[in-house]
Amino acid sequence: LAKTTQPISMDSYEGQEVNITCSHNNIATNDYITWYQQFPSQGPRFIIQGYKTKVTNEVASLFIPADRKSCTLSLPRVSLSDTAVYYCLVEETTDSWGKFQFGAGTQVVVTP
Amino acid sequence: DTGVSQNPRHKITKRGQNVTFRCDPISEHNRLYWYRQTLGQGPEFLTYFQNEAQLEKSRLLSDRFSAERPKGSFSTLEIQRTEQGDSAMYLCASSGGLAGGKLFTDTQYFGPGTRLTVL
Repeated sequence: LAKTTQPISMDSYEGQEVNITCSHNNIATNDYITWYQQFPSQGPRFIIQGYKTKVTNEVASLFIPADRKSCTLSLPRVSLSDTAVYYCLVEETTDSWGKFQFGAGTQVVVTP
Repeated sequence: DTGVSQNPRHKITKRGQNVTFRCDPISEHNRLYWYRQTLGQGPEFLTYFQNEAQLEKSRLLSDRFSAERPKGSFSTLEIQRTEQGDSAMYLCASSGGLAGGKLFTDTQYFGPGTRLTVL
């Protein structure tokens, strides 16, 4: 089972880039990594998902090194509305049944 | 709105009572997941279904908890004899799933959650 760890919090100013790392030392060969954003009293919202190397969409980039034991979510030019908790989720698909482990979350606070 | 919906959004109950929550997944999704989230923590996996089959249950899912998805569409999560420690946000998610193959991407989309308070 892949145990995921993340920094508890990160502070940033508007317009800066925020990078959040998630470690998952026991990730299995076929695991995907997914990142979510969550606001208070709401369900997690999908941001990005990847398996290896780099994935980019309209809101974020995800960097996954070759050993896949960690990954980095990059939020370019954050705004105040990006203040939220960010979670990485690792799936185990080696036996196709799947176990789903969220990290404890990283509270990102963006200030003017 | 074609997202995941959950009802009720809030539930307050007294210790010892039974409660039931409902989740309606995105219509074309064949996988449905239940999580529990307490304040300041990440979501904790409880169980998931592929169609009507319950494929896995976490050790967190005690015998007071039962989940069903009788027709492979909506799902219910029942908690019997509630305890104060059951107070949490209960989240439901759904995903498309794929037939065959071990390597696949299966993005989970979450509903707004049901906030349970046990007095």
